[in-house]
Amino acid sequence: DTAVSQTPKYLVTQMGNDKSIKCEQNLGHDTMYWYKQDSKKFLKIMFSYNNKELIINETVPNRFSPKSPDKAHLNLHINSLELGDSAVYFCASSQEGTGVNEQFFGPGTRLTVL
Amino acid sequence: AQKITQTQPGMFVQEKEAVTLDCTYDTSDPSYGLFWYKQPSSGEMIFLIYQGSYDQQNATEGRYSLNFQKARKSANLVISASQLGDSAMYFCAMREGPGTASKLTFGTGTRLQVTL
Repeated sequence: DTAVSQTPKYLVTQMGNDKSIKCEQNLGHDTMYWYKQDSKKFLKIMFSYNNKELIINETVPNRFSPKSPDKAHLNLHINSLELGDSAVYFCASSQEGTGVNEQFFGPGTRLTVL
Repeated sequence: AQKITQTQPGMFVQEKEAVTLDCTYDTSDPSYGLFWYKQPSSGEMIFLIYQGSYDQQNATEGRYSLNFQKARKSANLVISASQLGDSAMYFCAMREGPGTASKLTFGTGTRLQVTL
């Protein structure tokens, strides 16, 4: 059973297009995240949702719009794609509380903008 | 200032030897957590080990241990008895604040290559 799943795994598209990446977790967690990993492997937080509410929005262009229809899903829609958006996008989830509560990552979506 | 610093872009270790991957951090928050993740060439992010700022003892998980030196703000990962399957990118990350629903700040990673 996949804990955090993302679709699609690969996405190749032209500049200017609009695309979406979907994420689902079956761990019962209440918090979900989007991270971007660039070509140098640097990982950076983009957004975080807790119980469907946006709690972190890190200086991301407003072409990126996350949507959380319920606690188990966090989708990422990107408008007017640019070359610099090419990266691997990871979804993650965790449970708020004390203790370790590590973040579980999805397999990533490799986005290539041509 | 960088919040998480990993000064070793690449490391080599022979099979069955131990290796230490360095990580220093910077925070003024008294409550924080430190994580290590492994990213093999297949791309997934695998959680390895966690150290809380108030934990008295160094964390251990199988062949992984964390050498936590709070005064020096370092949280080095020690892998004992290296295996070929340990070849991967390793990321140190920090979560600040008492709540766990907060972001991870990652270091730039260390690429570990295990040789025969």
